[in-house]
Amino acid sequence: DVKVTQSSRYLVKRTGEKVFLECVQDMDHENMFWYRQDPGLGLRLIYFSYDVKMKEKGDIPEGYSVSREKKERFSLILESASTNQTSMYLCASSYGFSRANQPQHFGDGTRLSIL
Amino acid sequence: ILNVEQSPQSLHVQEGDSTNFTCSFPSSNFYALHWYRWETAKSPEALFVMTLNGDEKKKGRISATLNTKEGYSYLYIKGSQPEDSATYLCAFKGNQGGKLIFGQGTELSVKP
Repeated sequence: DVKVTQSSRYLVKRTGEKVFLECVQDMDHENMFWYRQDPGLGLRLIYFSYDVKMKEKGDIPEGYSVSREKKERFSLILESASTNQTSMYLCASSYGFSRANQPQHFGDGTRLSIL
Repeated sequence: ILNVEQSPQSLHVQEGDSTNFTCSFPSSNFYALHWYRWETAKSPEALFVMTLNGDEKKKGRISATLNTKEGYSYLYIKGSQPEDSATYLCAFKGNQGGKLIFGQGTELSVKP
C-alpha cells in the first residue's frame, strides 16, 4: 500500500513566521503535489514537482515555495505566514508520465491555523 | 481557466436510497477523469480513473460513467449505507500536463 505521510495533523503558528510542511511518500513516485482545501472551493493546487529539484507553480502559488531535494520528500514553505493561509493542506503523489492513468495518493492532511 | 463543476453541493439521503451526482468538465483536451472519496478525518481515496468515452466502472455498490464528448461523468451509489457518508470529488486531467483540476465536491450524508 502507498503511504503518504505528512509531518503534522494540526499546526498553530503566528503571523510572520516561516512555516515548513513536510511530506514523504514511500512508493518511488515521480510526481508530488501540494493542495489546500477551503470550504466551498475544493482542492486547489499550490505547487507540484515532476522530479527531484523540479517544481512548477500551480493555481495559487503566491506566498508559498517548495523544495524537493530527494525523490521521496516534498516540502511546502510559507515564507511569512499570514492569516489567509489558515487552511487544510494536503500532499499527494503519483507515478509519472509512463503510468499517467494511475490515481494520486494523498496524505491525511495538515490543518494549519495562523494566528 | 478550466472549470470542473459538481452537483449537487450536498445531499442528504436515507439508508437504502440510491443516489447519483454529476461532474461536468471541459470536453476538449481530455485525458482522464478521476473520482475520489474523502471521509472525515481520513485522506482522499481513489475510486476510479476513467479515460475512454462511454467507460463504465464499478466498485461494489458504486459505479461511474463517462461522456467525454459532452463533458460529464455520473457517480451512482446503489443502496446507500451510513459508511458511504463522505465528500466525493471528481478531477479532470487534460492532455497538457499531469496536474488535476478538482471540482468543489459533493458532500453525501446517509442517515440510518
